[in-house]
Amino acid sequence: AQKVTQAQTEISVVEKEDVTLDCVYETRDTTYYLFWYKQPPSGELVFLIRRNSFDEQNEISGRYSWNFQKSTSSFNFTITASQVVDSAVYFCALRMDSSYKLIFGSGTRLLVRP
Amino acid sequence: DTAVSQTPKYLVTQMGNDKSIKCEQNLGHDTMYWYKQDSKKFLKIMFSYNNKELIINETVPNRFSPKSPDKAHLNLHINSLELGDSAVYFCASSRPGLSQETQYFGPGTRLLVL
Repeated sequence: AQKVTQAQTEISVVEKEDVTLDCVYETRDTTYYLFWYKQPPSGELVFLIRRNSFDEQNEISGRYSWNFQKSTSSFNFTITASQVVDSAVYFCALRMDSSYKLIFGSGTRLLVRP
Repeated sequence: DTAVSQTPKYLVTQMGNDKSIKCEQNLGHDTMYWYKQDSKKFLKIMFSYNNKELIINETVPNRFSPKSPDKAHLNLHINSLELGDSAVYFCASSRPGLSQETQYFGPGTRLLVL
């Protein structure tokens, strides 16, 4: 069965702290895709990153970085020097090559306090 | 120049009524989706259409009927609304087959059934 687990329900940090959001996935497919989406308080879902299963390179985009490790089936997301505007619910998602549907984790609510 | 748009943004209605939500995308994508986000923020796919053909139909009550008049539009009609239908409904679109296929979401329609 395919599954995405985001064990951290809520994280609270003070501005400028670094924070890592965990994502663990389960699939038996050899080809799959992993995603992170951000849902700010305004409610929309904003695409952040996509990673293919055959590309284990980590990625950095400004203050955001992602660590993909197939050996532990994890795709963790780190925000460096967090800002209040980073406060949102973050979703990790999985899509198998054999299906169009996204399987979402339950989300992690991040609160960045000034 | 909104990529994926939904109308209405908010919908408040009485139990037993029939209502529709409309979705349009101007990204030139071939595939569109409906996802439901419940009160605990859990996101789950409901339907997907590819070039007007239904390709995903999850376990959804048959009171929900999607309709795709063309590949840029995907509407969701709900009959005999129930309290449990209260949720946020997100439309999304993508162009599968591309190496960087990604689903882009609309702003959501917040449905409240009284």
